[in-house]
Amino acid sequence: AQTVTQSQPEMSVQEAETVTLSCTYDTSESDYYLFWYKQPPSRQMILVIRQEAYKQQNATENRFSVNFQKAAKSFSLKISDSQLGDAAMYFCAYLNAGGTSYGKLTFGQGTILTVHP
Amino acid sequence: DGGITQSPKYLFRKEGQNVTLSCEQNLNHDAMYWYRQDPGQGLRLIYYSQIVNDFQKGDIAEGYSVSREKKESFPLTVTSAQKNPTAFYLCASSIGEGYYGYTFGSGTRLTVV
Repeated sequence: AQTVTQSQPEMSVQEAETVTLSCTYDTSESDYYLFWYKQPPSRQMILVIRQEAYKQQNATENRFSVNFQKAAKSFSLKISDSQLGDAAMYFCAYLNAGGTSYGKLTFGQGTILTVHP
Repeated sequence: DGGITQSPKYLFRKEGQNVTLSCEQNLNHDAMYWYRQDPGQGLRLIYYSQIVNDFQKGDIAEGYSVSREKKESFPLTVTSAQKNPTAFYLCASSIGEGYYGYTFGSGTRLTVV
């Protein structure tokens, strides 16, 4: 079974600075997808960014980018120019491409990000 | 606007009672999912459904039941067999196998009183 580990229960950053959230995963599969989700105090889960494992290029979405290291099974999220609205719980998630794990997202334990003004 | 609607937002259950959480989507997504969220444990999969009239157990299905009679609806029943039901429940849906990610509802907070 796949597992996803977020080793940082809490992180903090000053407004306008950069922060990196860590995620590692364990899988024997070669084809899969990785995601970062944001859960603000409203508790609505919002997709931040997605990475396809067969693509070497790291995904970026505006101020959000990832560092995907397939051999190391690492998938960190970098938030640049942090804003107060970035304060939330962030979840890393893994999805197998096909097979018996159809559509089953596996989540990490989450990292609470605090943004200081 | 397309999306997923979960109701109610807050639900209180007495010991020994069954309760049903509603999840409706108008995104025309084939797949739907139920997750449970507890503090410090992330989200854990309860049940999922790929198509109408078909569903599979997730990692923590004991004490829960679902139905998928319509594409738009995937209600979750928390039965009296679920020993620790107090949690936050999230419903989600996806196009196909979820390669583009899930769309989530706003959740239901269930408390046993």
